[in-house]
Amino acid sequence: SQTIHQWPATLVQPVGSPLSLECTVEGTSNPNLYWYRQAAGRGLQLLFYSVGIGQISSEVPQNLSASRPQDRQFILSSKKLLLSDSGFYLCAWSHRAPPHEQYFGPGTRLTVT
Amino acid sequence: AQTVTQSQPEMSVQEAETVTLSCTYDTSESDYYLFWYKQPPSRQMILVIRQEAYKQQNATENRFSVNFQKAAKSFSLKISDSQLGDAAMYFCAYRSDISNFGNEKLTFGTGTRLTIIP
Repeated sequence: SQTIHQWPATLVQPVGSPLSLECTVEGTSNPNLYWYRQAAGRGLQLLFYSVGIGQISSEVPQNLSASRPQDRQFILSSKKLLLSDSGFYLCAWSHRAPPHEQYFGPGTRLTVT
Repeated sequence: AQTVTQSQPEMSVQEAETVTLSCTYDTSESDYYLFWYKQPPSRQMILVIRQEAYKQQNATENRFSVNFQKAAKSFSLKISDSQLGDAAMYFCAYRSDISNFGNEKLTFGTGTRLTIIP
């Protein structure tokens, strides 16, 4: 069966510090991968998605970036965090074939102080 | 572009009763997929149910069922025999069946917060 891992689970970082969130999927090959952000009590905002190594689509222009160094690894980064980067970050994966449902990781709660 | 609308920000239901959450969507496509996700206080997103647009039969998963009205572009979720563990944020989502780069994503509604009253 497939599993998706995210770490860290919780992170507190000062403004201006770098960020690296990691997401890894097990038990499947060639998944589509997604990064979402969710503010408290709000909906999901798609940040990036990837259909393969080196193929990253950015949905929201900001100081975040994403990379996919391996087939089942997706990394969300920032060189300098802003207060507005605080939130709950969710990674998800889906098969490339239908029906395309996405499966989510447990999330990372990021607080920028 | 497709849009998904959940017009009920909050709903409440007595335990053991039935509740229906509304979702409408806008698309010009004929083939697509619709989903309901549940996000409990742990904030883990859990897939509840899926509906393929080409299927006329409404999907059912135990106490969860949908009322899919393709012509009306409506996709409501019915929860029967509500339980305390059903308390969560529920999100409706749309996915195109066209697998071009740029369509490889879900469009989510803004969510409905469901409270279960003991």
